[in-house]
Amino acid sequence: EAGVAQSPRYKIIEKRQSVAFWCNPISGHATLYWYQQILGQGPKLLIQFQNNGVVDDSQLPKDRFSAERLKGVDSTLKIQPAKLEDSAVYLCASSPTSGSFYEQYFGPGTRLTVT
Amino acid sequence: KQEVTQIPAALSVPEGENLVLNCSFTDSAIYNLQWFRQDPGKGLTSLLLIQSSQREQTSGRLNASLDKSSGRSTLYIAASQPGDSATYLCAVRYNFNKFYFGSGTKLNVKP
Repeated sequence: EAGVAQSPRYKIIEKRQSVAFWCNPISGHATLYWYQQILGQGPKLLIQFQNNGVVDDSQLPKDRFSAERLKGVDSTLKIQPAKLEDSAVYLCASSPTSGSFYEQYFGPGTRLTVT
Repeated sequence: KQEVTQIPAALSVPEGENLVLNCSFTDSAIYNLQWFRQDPGKGLTSLLLIQSSQREQTSGRLNASLDKSSGRSTLYIAASQPGDSATYLCAVRYNFNKFYFGSGTKLNVKP
């Protein structure tokens, strides 16, 4: 079974530029999560999708961050414009909504550096 | 406000030692608790998931326990090996869309 795929793995941009991250979840997983992990901290949930609908985006800075999952499969997270404090690893995870009690499976992450 | 705390932040032990990592949470009304391992530059790998109705889960040299009344979970690693060196994170789920991570314990097992 293929795991959660993310790209790119690394990205360096200047502040005020825009950037987009892509995630393809495990086949058949209806729930998809985007997390932000700042160095030395645990991941913080940014947004959770169930199929192509948003379940929770309460911690997403909506003035600069946006995410979509148009066909209920892969997803894109965008930052526009980026700030220095957005430097972090962005993790995507997916889980089935039946069985496995919502166990989450993570991708390798995208490390973003904003200079 | 739900909070998840992991102590210590870092731990260094000699190879072969048994060790315990701690995770505490403020709200005992949890749905489940999941332990993860994170290697440098990598994503998270799920180790064990404990449902709120369970007391413990075991996988190989790993044993995770859950005490909801005291708001604590422990991850026991038996006969530690250098390959166990990583950051260990616990995450508490309260319902379908409320999921909180601790900041992790960075483990170093010395050969």
